[in-house]
Amino acid sequence: DAKTTQPPSMDCAEGRAANLPCNHSTISGNEYVYWYRQIHSQGPQYIIHGLKNNETNEMASLIITEDRKSSTLILPHATLRDTAVYYCIVRAAPGNMLTFGGGTRLMVKP
Amino acid sequence: GAGVSQSPSNKVTEKGKDVELRCDPISGHTALYWYRQSLGQGLEFLIYFQGNSAPDKSGLPSDRFSAERTGGSVSTLTIQRTQQEDSAVYLCASSLDWGRVNEQFFGPGTRLTVL
Repeated sequence: DAKTTQPPSMDCAEGRAANLPCNHSTISGNEYVYWYRQIHSQGPQYIIHGLKNNETNEMASLIITEDRKSSTLILPHATLRDTAVYYCIVRAAPGNMLTFGGGTRLMVKP
Repeated sequence: GAGVSQSPSNKVTEKGKDVELRCDPISGHTALYWYRQSLGQGLEFLIYFQGNSAPDKSGLPSDRFSAERTGGSVSTLTIQRTQQEDSAVYLCASSLDWGRVNEQFFGPGTRLTVL
């Protein structure tokens, strides 16, 4: 699986959009971009995934660059409950094991 | 069940003892995964099952670790002769099917402490 690079930490004001970047410059054509988050003391939670096109669901939006070498997870209106570590992972289909790196620790502040 | 469940939630054991961790996946999910997360670290993949078979055991840290799954449902991860470096949170996840790209649903984990 391709390696991902994320900033170790970010702050965001409550109610504002949180934009979390991820670089995956070695991604190959059959690899998907996945985002998970882990709130303190809980198991990881799936957020969203995509291949080429931008994706949106009830939790977030995923913007993937045209060359697919980077992506951005957008939480449109961050709340205090969104404080967590956010993991960006790339993996090939069919689904196989995920390897989580350090992730980005997002701190949403009032 | 509604989600992935794991038991026990916490386990404290003495060095050298064996422990058994249990995972009950979401009903109907054929793929099951075990991970561990040491303090402050990312997730480390251990093993996965498709049905009852585990095609890839290379992620298991040592031969003290073993896992089985019977009936295509509940899985147990066994650690023999536990060592202090085995202390971690052990997470189980399940997904609908190995052959499709699906999100993995994680359980709450078992926090293992080896004294």
